[in-house]
Amino acid sequence: AQKVTQAQTEISVVEKEDVTLDCVYETRDTTYYLFWYKQPPSGELVFLIRRNSFDEQNEISGRYSWNFQKSTSSFNFTITASQVVDSAVYFCAGMDSSYKLIFGSGTRLLVRP
Amino acid sequence: ETGVTQTPRHLVMGMTNKKSLKCEQHLGHNAMYWYKQSAKKPLELMFVYSLEERVENNSVPSRFSPECPNSSHLFLHLHTLQPEDSALYLCASSQGGTTDTQYFGPGTRLTVL
Repeated sequence: AQKVTQAQTEISVVEKEDVTLDCVYETRDTTYYLFWYKQPPSGELVFLIRRNSFDEQNEISGRYSWNFQKSTSSFNFTITASQVVDSAVYFCAGMDSSYKLIFGSGTRLLVRP
Repeated sequence: ETGVTQTPRHLVMGMTNKKSLKCEQHLGHNAMYWYKQSAKKPLELMFVYSLEERVENNSVPSRFSPECPNSSHLFLHLHTLQPEDSALYLCASSQGGTTDTQYFGPGTRLTVL
């Protein structure tokens, strides 16, 4: 069975601070896919990124960056110079050979002005 | 036109009512999904349709009845619901393959009195 753990329930930072959201994904499969989604107060889940297990290159997109380390099963997400508009719940998700997308419990990020 | 739309956005119903949730995707995708997001639980997969055929029913009670008349539309018919069914119901779609990235709609906030 697969499992996604987001240990941080809620994080509060002041605008312009950097913040890292942690995610640990467990599965027995060697091939799997990892995702991050953002859920603003409006409710819609917004897709941010997808990584395949065989691709350990880190990725940067503007102020967002993702660090995937297969050895520790971690797929962490960093927001640089956070902004108030980044306030949302962020979900990490994984999919293995079951082809079911499994979500973590989410991390609520509050960016204060 | 946004990629995945859902109507209504909010719904209040009694336990004896019958109502339907509607989802429409404008992305040319072939697979559609229903998820349930309760206050205290991670997102739960309910149903998966691929090319209009149901390929997954994740042990959902029969008071939830999905319908997929074509690859762009997905319905969730509700009848004799319980108060614990109150949740955010999210629809998603993906291109076709079971490992493709899923894109979500804004959800329907359902309250069962």
